[in-house]
Amino acid sequence: GAGVSQSPSNKVTEKGKDVELRCDPISGHTALYWYRQRLGQGLEFLIYFQGNSAPDKSGLPSDRFSAERTGESVSTLTIQRTQQEDSAVYLCASSSRLAGGADTQYFGPGTRLTVL
Amino acid sequence: SQQGEEDPQALSIQEGENATMNCSYKTSINNLQWYRQNSGRGLVHLILIRSNEREKHSGRLRVTLDTSKKSSSLLITASRAADTASYFCATVPNSGAGSYQLTFGKGTKLSVIP
Repeated sequence: GAGVSQSPSNKVTEKGKDVELRCDPISGHTALYWYRQRLGQGLEFLIYFQGNSAPDKSGLPSDRFSAERTGESVSTLTIQRTQQEDSAVYLCASSSRLAGGADTQYFGPGTRLTVL
Repeated sequence: SQQGEEDPQALSIQEGENATMNCSYKTSINNLQWYRQNSGRGLVHLILIRSNEREKHSGRLRVTLDTSKKSSSLLITASRAADTASYFCATVPNSGAGSYQLTFGKGTKLSVIP
């Protein structure tokens, strides 16, 4: 079946503007994750959704960042009043969330955000 | 914070040679996973090794885990030019509220020269 998709693939915006990034997880996957990857770095966890439970927002770097998920489908990550340090690739992943944390996360291709 | 730390940061080898990458971590884990990333975009899951396992194979990949040293290694045998990519280890903690979070290292950039 289809993998995780993300849109847009690239986004260039001006400092101070708001951006919205979209993630379509694999159908049937209950867990959805957002990560940020700065140039030459590993991935930083941002937020986690699992079914109808309250999301784990512990990785969001500031209150300018927020995310929503509709049921077990699409998620949007919103960054308000973008800053140049927000420039990064934003990756979404989904998983079927096996017990004990031993699930495989399937990643989308990412959205490359550039803030001028 | 990034728990996994890979070394070397960059590795360049000739096609046909073996490539070994290492990963160290700090806290107790449920499992450790290796991912591959091409051109700074989506990651592909390669292999998962649980904390009670010591070695695992998948095709040309061999992963070892030493929980006493809090380290893991990824061996790619008979490398190919197509193996050129960045390789990341990621750990899942043993327990607690964040026991689903993957914590990634900064990765090893592998170049396989034809």
